Amino acid sequence: AQSVSQHNHHVILSEAASLELGCNYSYGGTVNLFWYVQYPGQHLQLLLKYFSGDPLVKGIKGFEAEFIKSKFSFNLRKPSVQWSDTAEYFCAVNLNDYKLSFGAGTTVTVRA
Amino acid sequence: DTGVSQDPRHKITKRGQNVTFRCDPISEHNRLYWYRQTLGQGPEFLTYFQNEAQLEKSRLLSDRFSAERPKGSFSTLEIQRTEQGDSAMYLCASSLTRPGSLGRAYEQYFGPGTRLTVT
Repeated sequence: AQSVSQHNHHVILSEAASLELGCNYSYGGTVNLFWYVQYPGQHLQLLLKYFSGDPLVKGIKGFEAEFIKSKFSFNLRKPSVQWSDTAEYFCAVNLNDYKLSFGAGTTVTVRA
Repeated sequence: DTGVSQDPRHKITKRGQNVTFRCDPISEHNRLYWYRQTLGQGPEFLTYFQNEAQLEKSRLLSDRFSAERPKGSFSTLEIQRTEQGDSAMYLCASSLTRPGSLGRAYEQYFGPGTRLTVT
């Protein structure tokens, strides 16, 4: 069965530290890849997406992600986090033309 | 730009009661999706509509669940004879997607969700 794995359940770091969240998927065909973010008390928001082309994609708020097809990975990065980046982050894969499959999410806590 | 809205935001019900949730998608979006999210998990797909047609249902959607989108605009999700295991956040999303389209068409925009608690 297709699945999406996020390696870290909870990440705690200090402001200005670098962040990298892992995401792997198990599907051999063409995929669309997404990272969604859910800030405390808010709804899911699209952070960035990959459809085709340059495997390094940039999103909002200084986030970027790299698609490595050979590793079935789509890791999220931010060079220097802020307290406001405290949120839950979800990796998602669109395997067909309607269904998003989500990972279990990673809670990121940034300490001021 | 009005986003996806859901009503109610919270619902507490007793086991065995029926509940109905409403979702209003972004106005020009032709696709509407329902997901369920439980604590510590990502959203799980339940069903989706293209205009008024319900095109796919997950195995998670037991026969106690029914969804409609009668005029291709808002949608309702009804749960009959609720069980404690139905307690979850029910999320609605919408997209503007044409068959065979690429990339951007697959962006789904989520509403705030309805949190259901079955006591």
